[in-house]
Amino acid sequence: GESVGLHLPTLSVQEGDNSIINCAYSNSASDYFIWYKQESGKGPQFIIDIRSNMDKRQGQRVTVLLNKTVKHLSLQIAATQPGDSAVYFCAENKRNTGNQFYFGTGTSLTVIP
Amino acid sequence: NAGVTQTPKFRVLKTGQSMTLLCAQDMNHEYMYWYRQDPGMGLRLIHYSVGEGTTAKGEVPDGYNVSRLKKQNFLLGLESAAPSQTSVYFCASRTGPAVGGEETQYFGPGTRLLVL
Repeated sequence: GESVGLHLPTLSVQEGDNSIINCAYSNSASDYFIWYKQESGKGPQFIIDIRSNMDKRQGQRVTVLLNKTVKHLSLQIAATQPGDSAVYFCAENKRNTGNQFYFGTGTSLTVIP
Repeated sequence: NAGVTQTPKFRVLKTGQSMTLLCAQDMNHEYMYWYRQDPGMGLRLIHYSVGEGTTAKGEVPDGYNVSRLKKQNFLLGLESAAPSQTSVYFCASRTGPAVGGEETQYFGPGTRLLVL
């Protein structure tokens, strides 16, 4: 089946730097995308979402960019903090598949103090 | 408001045993989902439900059954556990489709299952 992929499985950044986590999706029919954060031993936690009619959406210290031309999604975290260390997943929703979400394998972010 | 809760948190089974995982949500969500998460892989959908009394197969449904007798509960059953079902199981719920609204899923804390 189709899958959502991530460019890098691991990412290490210095505390205070900005982080960028990338995601590629394969179905141009997907119209809703979500970024999740998963800390060790916990369930995924919603960070931010974006619809396909938008290119950019900002939250608190996070920004999601959507490039539909190349089917690419990115999550930017400003002033990365130790508490941001986690695995980050992108997920896509394909409306023609019964409201199912498809998840990428995840990128592990490590913040170096 | 507890959100999404899962019981048990951890379980060890022997091959061939059966068990039921319980998911409960108190957000009045229409949709509920069961996923499994394995090392190096993303979450994979097992079964889902778009309302009380309805269920549908996801990406990896074999070996599992589900029931949604009450809106707030979604049960995942393993009739005859196999070592390949060793995994972390997550339940999630969300509101029904809403044009322009948030459609994110809210996840439970997970159930760790070991099948020997």
